Amino acid sequence: AQSVTQLDSHVSVSEGTPVLLRCNYSSSYSPSLFWYVQHPNKGLQLLLKYTSAATLVKGINGFEAEFKKSETSFHLTKPSAHMSDAAEYFCVVSGAGGSQGNLIFGKGTKLSVKP
Amino acid sequence: GAGVSQSPSNKVTEKGKDVELRCDPISGHTALYWYRQRLGQGLEFLIYFQGNSAPDKSGLPSDRFSAERTGESVSTLTIQRTQQEDSAVYLCASSLAEGGGSLHFGNGTRLTVT
Repeated sequence: AQSVTQLDSHVSVSEGTPVLLRCNYSSSYSPSLFWYVQHPNKGLQLLLKYTSAATLVKGINGFEAEFKKSETSFHLTKPSAHMSDAAEYFCVVSGAGGSQGNLIFGKGTKLSVKP
Repeated sequence: GAGVSQSPSNKVTEKGKDVELRCDPISGHTALYWYRQRLGQGLEFLIYFQGNSAPDKSGLPSDRFSAERTGESVSTLTIQRTQQEDSAVYLCASSLAEGGGSLHFGNGTRLTVT
């Protein structure tokens, strides 16, 4: 069975400092992994995805994530936070044999950015 | 249109009434998903379609909820005899392939049951 755990429900950083949003997954198959962002009162937007190519994945808005199979992690990072990064972030795991359309969403991490 | 379109964007209804929420996916996307998001919460899976079939309805909260999809295109989510706990944002997403593809989300329908 697949599962995904976002380790922090809320992360607060100062503008200009690094961002780290943590995600661990469990999958019996070779998973695809995604990060989505949801700004207030908006739908979700794909930030980046891992599909068994390069383990370091670069996304939009300066975000990147590294797939670490040994740690079953797919943490999202950004070197320097902007005020516009304040949003909710969802980690998603996908793979054959799962339910829910083969997509499992994490519970989300709310990122706050202080000036 | 270029993206996933949901209508209405906002719906206020009285307890006990039925509501229909509509989703127009991106043309050619075979997979379509419905999620519910309560205030301050994450996404709750409701149902997904592969073509016009719904292989997984396990997320529908009760028999008051139903959904259909026609022409491998438009989908409607119907909630009968609405209750206050049904108040939430209902999000629709579509993708080229089930699970392995990237999801494109609509902006959601905000449902308020008074």
